Amino acid sequence: EVQMLESGGGLAQPGGSLRLSCAASGFTFSNYAMSWVRQAPGKGLEWVSAISGGGDTTDYADSVKGRFTISRDNSKNTLYLQMNSLRAEDTAVYYCAKDQSAGSSGWYQSWGQGTLVTVSS
Amino acid sequence: QPVLTQPTSLSASPGASARLTCTLRSGVNVGTYSIFWYQQKPGSPPRLLLRYYSDSSKHQGSGVPSRFSGSKDASTNAGILVISGLQSEDEADYYCMIWHSTAVVFGGGTKLTVL
Repeated sequence: EVQMLESGGGLAQPGGSLRLSCAASGFTFSNYAMSWVRQAPGKGLEWVSAISGGGDTTDYADSVKGRFTISRDNSKNTLYLQMNSLRAEDTAVYYCAKDQSAGSSGWYQSWGQGTLVTVSS
Repeated sequence: QPVLTQPTSLSASPGASARLTCTLRSGVNVGTYSIFWYQQKPGSPPRLLLRYYSDSSKHQGSGVPSRFSGSKDASTNAGILVISGLQSEDEADYYCMIWHSTAVVFGGGTKLTVL
């Protein structure tokens, strides 16, 4: 059974940093691209970033480019999102999502339950 | 103007059909994109419903019933999700999505009320 469990969320101050993790199981992690998608309270979905199965290709939303870094450790079956220079508008539930192939396609069949990030002083 | 525009809300009766639209911004041609549709219920992550490119290139998400179907309307430059035989459990938020210029773009979502 495919499972993904996000962790690392919490309260951060504006300008601060957090690192999110997504521990995956039930599939060959390195064979699949992964993405982070967030949802601000009461708002819609916003794609944040994607990384290919091998980790060599990454993409970012303009809203986080230069501040967030996506990475993965295929030996640990874990996806990461390093978030720096956090802003109030980064407050959201962050989901990790599994793609259908090593390259990003948008076919997010499996999602984690999400981790809440709150940016506030 | 957003890349993808969805009506904020839609209401329909049980047993009826609901037609949800996702209009692409002028200059972004619906004919060249696969349109993904996701369903989200309160407190849960999104659920993939389907991907639609054309009638010969479409895929249903795992376990998604055939009463959820996709199409396109080139005249309005829109992707369409039709839910037939509406059930109370279909009440949810629905999001369309495309890959556009090396980034994923979601529409703002449509809240479907079944009453």
